[in-house]
Amino acid sequence: SAVISQKPSRDICQRGTSLTIQCQVDSQVTMMFWYRQQPGQSLTLIATANQGSEATYESGFVIDKFPISRPNLTFSTLTVSNMSPEDSSIYLCSVEDLLGYGYTFGSGTRLTVV
Amino acid sequence: AQRVTQPEKLLSVFKGAPVELKCNYSYSGSPELFWYVQYSRQRLQLLLRHISRESIKGFTADLNKGETSFHLKKPFAQEEDSAMYYCALKIEETSGSRLTFGEGTQLTVNP
Repeated sequence: SAVISQKPSRDICQRGTSLTIQCQVDSQVTMMFWYRQQPGQSLTLIATANQGSEATYESGFVIDKFPISRPNLTFSTLTVSNMSPEDSSIYLCSVEDLLGYGYTFGSGTRLTVV
Repeated sequence: AQRVTQPEKLLSVFKGAPVELKCNYSYSGSPELFWYVQYSRQRLQLLLRHISRESIKGFTADLNKGETSFHLKKPFAQEEDSAMYYCALKIEETSGSRLTFGEGTQLTVNP
């Protein structure tokens, strides 16, 4: 299955600042997914990132708050902008494994906003 | 609505006992379902998918379309099975596919 490298693994940020999370895949993939996992909760899809087009955001998530870049078929970034304590979560990227192993996830970025 | 429901947030069993983690789904299309597991301090990883109909680490799950269920079962639980388990449904849309997750079940296997 695909191997995903995600960084940073964790960060503590001041409110009002922004953090960019990087996701690198060891193979070319069409779609990359960004999820949020709030404390004690399940995974919620933020957006789907296709190479060469704008990301598609789920209800409740907007591009101004979570801008996404997808410059090529192996890399994507998610920025959490103008952070507040409510943004404290684990953020994960994911890809669909085209070899049929399902969806693979990165190790996540644990974000704490103070 | 397209939804995955895991009714038990917490499940505790003794080592050697059978375990069943429940998952129900709501989906208008042909369902493709997965079970993911997250051990403490590890990344989320695929446990099994209904299409492959395999047994991983002694776990099995059968898709029951009549009951819209995909329960995860293991006849004899082990302490190392203690983890968070998520049931997920693949949703196909014109823009592509994505996964939607249930709320998860924290399984604790006691010695």
